[in-house]
Amino acid sequence: RKEVEQDPGPFNVPEGATVAFNCTYSNSASQSFFWYRQDCRKEPKLLMSVYSSGNEDGRFTAQLNRASQYISLLIRDSKLSDSATYLCVVWNTGFQKLVFGTGTRLLVSP
Amino acid sequence: EADIYQTPRYLVIGTGKKITLECSQTMGHDKMYWYQQDPGMELHLIHYSYGVNSTEKGDLSSESTVSRIRTEHFPLTLESARPSHTSQYLCASNRDGNSPLHFGNGTRLTVT
Repeated sequence: RKEVEQDPGPFNVPEGATVAFNCTYSNSASQSFFWYRQDCRKEPKLLMSVYSSGNEDGRFTAQLNRASQYISLLIRDSKLSDSATYLCVVWNTGFQKLVFGTGTRLLVSP
Repeated sequence: EADIYQTPRYLVIGTGKKITLECSQTMGHDKMYWYQQDPGMELHLIHYSYGVNSTEKGDLSSESTVSRIRTEHFPLTLESARPSHTSQYLCASNRDGNSPLHFGNGTRLTVT
């Protein structure tokens, strides 16, 4: 089992839709969690840090469920510009390293 | 906005050439990383450093080498480029191991 797993998608949604991605992690001792956004052929950019139970930033909400070992990203009122790959990143306390998921691709259509 | 810079942005080079990809950050971060990513594929950690004179190999075996003589500078060198080295190379840094990574804008390498 991979340390961090994401549904690769793609998720095809119309503009204005609400979409949610899940990311599961295997190390129960993980402390820090992040969502990154990566556009095609560009570098990943930090979207949100998730340090406690979750947080919200405009149309984006991240939640952490420690009992089930997953974090989620909810995007409300999807825009065309939200089309990208969303990467889940988890801090592996045991190995002291950040572990990237393979990413979930989102396509928002008019 | 993160202050981490990579040069060159694009590089096309012939087989057998020696190349150095530059990465510099002005944030005073001790921890720096090199990732390799093919189009549409996942990121692979190839090298990292937790401070000056500290370098380690990452999860993916790479024929490249790195050095960390100064805190702000983490260059990656390929002694003899091959077509299999064609990829995007991303440099990143963070303040602590579990804090967010800041990425440079990448070097897209093509070896012909």
